[in-house]
Amino acid sequence: KAGVTQTPRYLIKTRGQQVTLSCSPISGHRSVSWYQQTPGQGLQFLFEYFSETQRNKGNFPGRFSGRQFSNSRSEMNVSTLELGDSALYLCASSLQGARETQYFGPGTRLLVL
Amino acid sequence: AQSVTQLGSHVSVSEGALVLLRCNYSSSVPPYLFWYVQYPNQGLQLLLKYTSAATLVKGINGFEAEFKKSETSFHLTKPSAHMSDAAEYFCAVSEMGSGNTGKLIFGQGTTLQVKP
Repeated sequence: KAGVTQTPRYLIKTRGQQVTLSCSPISGHRSVSWYQQTPGQGLQFLFEYFSETQRNKGNFPGRFSGRQFSNSRSEMNVSTLELGDSALYLCASSLQGARETQYFGPGTRLLVL
Repeated sequence: AQSVTQLGSHVSVSEGALVLLRCNYSSSVPPYLFWYVQYPNQGLQLLLKYTSAATLVKGINGFEAEFKKSETSFHLTKPSAHMSDAAEYFCAVSEMGSGNTGKLIFGQGTTLQVKP
């Protein structure tokens, strides 16, 4: 089976812009979770989608949003980018949720200038 | 609220020596616990997970972890370190209370250095 893929792998944006990141889960996986990884805050949960519905949400401002399509592919969007949004954004998929194995993609590294 | 604490942000061992990475969790109910490894410029890979079936859990690459409820610990060990084990290791707990949702709570991570 193909693994979790994320596009793009690297991205440079300027403050105030918006960005959309994409995640394609493993075939058959219905749960897609997003995490932000930074040196200071570590790995933080952003949100999770299951069968096109947001099932769980972390403590991030409303500038961070996401969606899931009928084929389980997911996108996350960050509007009005801030310097502090520079991070590695990781997507993970699993069959039903985090109690099964979550398979992580390689991440999208976002740099905000 | 659930939380995970990894003791020691950096651990250095010699090749062939015992690896011990410490993880303590806070949870009011039996947790699901995980260890993940992250190599540079890569995503996370599951090493092993505890789901209450057995307290000693064996994972990939010779790693194992023991769940100790009395100590609220889930330390990761490997008898003999290999150079290829150098990476960052994360302990995580699955959030309880709302079913099997896709949320993991991670510790701050421990960077393992293996010296030749």
